[in-house]
Amino acid sequence: QVQLVESGGGVVQPGRSLRLSCVASGFTFRSYGMRWVRQAPGKGLEWLAVISFDGTYKDYAYSVKGRFTISRDNSKNTLDLQMDSLRPEDTAVYYCAKDTKAYCTSSECYASTSFDSWGQGTLVTVSS
Amino acid sequence: QSVLTQPPSVSGAPGQRVTISCTGTSSNIGAGYAVHWYQHLPGTAPRLLIDTNTNRPSGVPDRFSASKSGTSASLAITGLQAEDEGDYHCQSYDGSLRNSVFGGGTKLTVL
Repeated sequence: QVQLVESGGGVVQPGRSLRLSCVASGFTFRSYGMRWVRQAPGKGLEWLAVISFDGTYKDYAYSVKGRFTISRDNSKNTLDLQMDSLRPEDTAVYYCAKDTKAYCTSSECYASTSFDSWGQGTLVTVSS
Repeated sequence: QSVLTQPPSVSGAPGQRVTISCTGTSSNIGAGYAVHWYQHLPGTAPRLLIDTNTNRPSGVPDRFSASKSGTSASLAITGLQAEDEGDYHCQSYDGSLRNSVFGGGTKLTVL
């Protein structure tokens, strides 16, 4: 079955960097777009970033654009999120999620797909 | 706050029916973008519960159903069971923000 396992969370000081990873198994990783979503304490889910199945398309939420970078390695079935210039408001549980639709290449596809598999999440705490 | 608006909490007794609303605007739900629902039970990964407005993925009981009209969507759960207790999130896309957007989540308590 599909499995997504995040790692890399921890406690980090404001202004520092952290890199999250997500290892995928149980499906053809290279065929699906992938996302990062987070949930801050007491808040709802927040979409952060998307990467296309082949890594050629990336997009980010305004709140993290310019600070976070999404990437993937289809040879290793891994998804990463490089987080720089971290702020206290970035404190959250970070989830990787798989697009339901395969081979999205259009904006309509990215806009309409749901996320049919999620990891358990990794906690990032930004505090001095 | 979240782009989509959900009630913070709902509750019901076992066997009862509850509904959870998800209210958006003309930039997201009202623009025709699909609404998806996720179930997030304590200690587990979020689970896709309803895909594209009304569709139940394989394995989701038919006690769960959803609808969409205008700028709002709604999730209904019938025959409430103790194992349904957890958080429920709606998700759509906002054409003005050019982002996927979520509701603030609704905590379901089974009395």
